[in-house]
Amino acid sequence: SAVISQKPSRDICQRGTSLTIQCQVDSQVTMMFWYRQQPGQSLTLIATANQGSEATYESGFVIDKFPISRPNLTFSTLTVSNMSPEDSSIYLCSVVGDRGVYEQFFGPGTRLTVL
Amino acid sequence: DAKTTQPNSMESNEEEPVHLPCNHSTISGTDYIHWYRQLPSQGPEYVIHGLTSNVNNRMASLAIAEDRKSSTLILHRATLRDAAVYYCILRTSGTYKYIFGTGTRLKVLA
Repeated sequence: SAVISQKPSRDICQRGTSLTIQCQVDSQVTMMFWYRQQPGQSLTLIATANQGSEATYESGFVIDKFPISRPNLTFSTLTVSNMSPEDSSIYLCSVVGDRGVYEQFFGPGTRLTVL
Repeated sequence: DAKTTQPNSMESNEEEPVHLPCNHSTISGTDYIHWYRQLPSQGPEYVIHGLTSNVNNRMASLAIAEDRKSSTLILHRATLRDAAVYYCILRTSGTYKYIFGTGTRLKVLA
């Protein structure tokens, strides 16, 4: 298994500002993902972040709005830029386990409220 | 991408079996069926997955229809700690990309 922590756990931000969310894993992992969960909704994949390469974004998500860094095999950041109230969501990171069953381990999430 | 359809909510009595259905009529031959659950204020956690055959593990059983267009997650004895949103997810073989469905919110009654 993998233990994942995220910082901050929650934040309240003003529109037009940016927030960087950190994801720390207790073991080295190749593949990491960022998801968004809007209030009362399911999870939507934002991007895949592999160490040593640029993040791959899903349809509807762009690098200018959600820049991602992946400096090493245990850490990643997601920035939510130029925020609006529509960005109010829970943002979660996940990693693929190493047991070969394609099991993903999810962080606890960062609850973002934009005023 | 193939999609899944689940009932919005279900209720069960404690210590009784629970059958959570999922329809995936557009599933392709290389799509795996995964189930995750999300407890309140937590990230999703893995429950079980399968391709064609029924699967059992310590948490649950997964029954897959012969035509693979539907599946059922079976919790053999529901406990209060099983109250969560259960997601049925399809994943194409060779990829790690998950397409989450809308999920079923399970309420367990004491």
